Order: sequence, then C-alpha cells, then structure tokens
Amino acid sequence: EDQVTQSPEALRLQEGESSSLNCSYTVSGLRGLFWYRQDPGKGPEFLFTLYSAGEEKEKERLKATLTKKESFLHITAPKPEDSATYLCAVAGKSSGDKLTFGTGTRLAVRP
Amino acid sequence: KAGVTQTPRYLIKTRGQQVTLSCSPISGHRSVSWYQQTPGQGLQFLFEYFSETQRNKGNFPGRFSGRQFSNSRSEMNVSTLELGDSALYLCASTRAGNTGELFFGEGSRLTVL
Repeated sequence: EDQVTQSPEALRLQEGESSSLNCSYTVSGLRGLFWYRQDPGKGPEFLFTLYSAGEEKEKERLKATLTKKESFLHITAPKPEDSATYLCAVAGKSSGDKLTFGTGTRLAVRP
Repeated sequence: KAGVTQTPRYLIKTRGQQVTLSCSPISGHRSVSWYQQTPGQGLQFLFEYFSETQRNKGNFPGRFSGRQFSNSRSEMNVSTLELGDSALYLCASTRAGNTGELFFGEGSRLTVL
C-alpha cells in the first residue's frame, strides 16, 4: 500500500526566511509525485509533478526536488501570500489514477 | 474557462439520512475522482470515473457510491449517514491520461448531526 508522510505538520516563518518541507513516500513503482497547495475553504491547487529521482521543478519562490525516498519543497524568501497548506501525493504503478496524499504541512509566513 | 463546480457547498444532515453530492468537471475533462478530507485523515480517495465507468475505488464501505453521466458530470451518494461521515468532499477532474494533475472543486462540506 502506498504511503506518504509529510513533515513538519506546521511551520511558521518570518517573511524572507527560506525553509524546506519534507515528503517521505513508499510506493510500488512510482508513476509520479505531486505537490499541491490548499488555501482555507478551497480545494487543492496543483503545483508540480515529479517523475524520477533527480528531477527538479520551479515556480516563483517554490522549488520541488525528488529522490528515491523523499521529496522536498523548498521555499525561498517566502511572502505572507505563500501561507497555505502544502500537500504531497503519489501515484503508484499498481494504483491506477488513485492518488495517496499526505496530511500536509501548514505554512504560516509572518510579515 | 470554468473550473470544477460542486453543489451544494454546505449541507447538514442527521444520522441515518442519505445525501447526494454533484460535480461538474472542467469542459473536456472526462475523468472525475472524489476524495474525502478530514482533519485527522487528510485526503482519502473514494472513487474515480472515466467515460461513465468506475475505474478505481478506495477503501470505503458500500454506503458510499457514485456514478458518472454521459456529459462527464458526476454524483456521489452516501446512504445511512454516520457522524464520522462529516467531512469535506472534494471532486477533481483531469484530462484523460494526465494522472496526478487534478483540478479540484471547492468541495461540499457535509455535517452529520
């Protein structure tokens, strides 16, 4: 069974203070690892897809990286508008289009 | 381009009742999946439909069911509601073959009293 563990559960940063969120996973044949952002009262919003170890993707202040056991979401010089819950999910070769999500990291960025 | 639309946004039911939730996917998206989100468990997969066929099902009891219509719109039904069914139910659509890049609606928040 696919499993995803995210840490920390919550993170408070000062504006401009860079940090990283962790996503550890176990999956039988990785088809893809996905990062989403979720604002309060909204559905998750897709950010990145990573397919293989060593791959990196960037979008504004966010950079996602992937190894064979974990993924990191690096946040460089965050702003208050980056405050949200960040979710990691995996799709395994035996799970079809089903995604297994972690419980997320709640990020708060103070001005 | 209109996003994924879910109705109703909020509803309150009592134990033993049943509920039907509706989802209209993004135009052109033929795959629709449903997730349950609770504070303790996070997002858990319910089922996925493509061209009116259920392709995948999560580990939920038979009280949870769904269907998809020929226009790709989907509904899910929960019968004999229990207190533990209180959750945010999220629908997501995607283009065929685009695993993982899901477009979510804002969800239907169900409270069971």
